[in-house]
Amino acid sequence: GESVGLHLPTLSVQEGDNSIINCAYSNSASDYFIWYKQESGKGPQFIIDIRSNMDKRQGQRVTVLLNKTVKHLSLQIAATQPGDSAVYFCADFSGAGSYQLTFGKGTKLSVIP
Amino acid sequence: NAGVTQTPKFQVLKTGQSMTLQCAQDMNHNSMYWYRQDPGMGLRLIYYSASEGTTDKGEVPNGYNVSRLNKREFSLRLESAAPSQTSVYFCASSDRLIEPLRREQFFGPGTRLTVL
Repeated sequence: GESVGLHLPTLSVQEGDNSIINCAYSNSASDYFIWYKQESGKGPQFIIDIRSNMDKRQGQRVTVLLNKTVKHLSLQIAATQPGDSAVYFCADFSGAGSYQLTFGKGTKLSVIP
Repeated sequence: NAGVTQTPKFQVLKTGQSMTLQCAQDMNHNSMYWYRQDPGMGLRLIYYSASEGTTDKGEVPNGYNVSRLNKREFSLRLESAAPSQTSVYFCASSDRLIEPLRREQFFGPGTRLTVL
């Protein structure tokens, strides 16, 4: 079936470097995507979202890129900090009006001080 | 605002026991959701309530029932717990009516359930 998934399960980066977390999705009807951050023992926390009519959106130290041609999302974190260590999930809605948010399996980001 | 709160935080059950997980939100959101998260997995939708008075099945509803008690509260019941239901359960809420294209969901801290 269609699903949202991730290329890499783990990512280690040096503090201060930039991080890039990738996500592939397969549902061509997806119109809205969200990146969530989940710290150990906590619920997912919203980071940034992007609609399918956009290809880039920037937040504070984070940028999400959307390539609809190859059905690929990426989350870029600038100047990665120890507090960025967490599991990052991409998620999508399968079309306008859908309530069902489909999550990928997650990428664990570890920041090396 | 407390956001989304869940009780209990931890629970251990024996196979066949029943229990209800409670969830409440104080953001005046219309929609509420129950997810489960298994090790190494993303979250999977169990049930959702698009608005007060309605509930619908998600991806993995078997073995669960839900009740949308009022706009604030959405409970998840396990009638006869099984070891396969050992998981972390998250409640979430969202409000589509204010900004329909933005469907961000706000999550609670989770309930860690072990079924022996």
